[in-house]
Amino acid sequence: NAGVTQTPKFQVLKTGQSMTLQCAQDMNHNSMYWYRQDPGMGLRLIYYSASEGTTDKGEVPNGYNVSRLNKREFSLRLESAAPSQTSVYFCASSEWTSGSYEQYFGPGTRLTVT
Amino acid sequence: DAKTTQPNSMESNEEEPVHLPCNHSTISGTDYIHWYRQLPSQGPEYVIHGLTSNVNNRMASLAIAEDRKSSTLILHRATLRDAAVYYCILRAPGGSQGNLIFGKGTKLSVKP
Repeated sequence: NAGVTQTPKFQVLKTGQSMTLQCAQDMNHNSMYWYRQDPGMGLRLIYYSASEGTTDKGEVPNGYNVSRLNKREFSLRLESAAPSQTSVYFCASSEWTSGSYEQYFGPGTRLTVT
Repeated sequence: DAKTTQPNSMESNEEEPVHLPCNHSTISGTDYIHWYRQLPSQGPEYVIHGLTSNVNNRMASLAIAEDRKSSTLILHRATLRDAAVYYCILRAPGGSQGNLIFGKGTKLSVKP
């Protein structure tokens, strides 16, 4: 099992450019998430998808859109990148078992917007 | 979600036990206590979770106070690889959401 994979690992964008961050999981989990982590901070939720076909906003959704393409894949799109979106982006997936939404995280995408 | 309070940083010596505290005085009766850690330049990873009873797994132990207003993550023998930021998170069970609310956590340094 690869777990949660993310592409790309690194990206540099100019202000106003667009891009899509890809995420895939092979654990057959229903729920998937996108977080961002700014330097010295904890993770903040951008969007999540409780199941295939549904998406909901998290704490910091402005400037982002998401697509739950199928059960495996959940993409995050920046339509017009801004320097404030410079961050590390983590995708995660989970399933509710034994009282825990144990989440599995990908390795992250380091995005710089100049 | 109820709030948690953790020290910003802690230090430990290699091969000694480490006790990482977490206060959660506003915890509700159904909130589970989760611990995650984040190694440098990696995504967070699950460590342990519990509701009322103390819990053990291969990575750590979780000691929960009788009134559930605090908990302690115990690493029995710290290694250099345990140097990470440790997050204490409360989650209500069930529902369609599983998103975790991360604070700043405790940065654990392990000295050889």
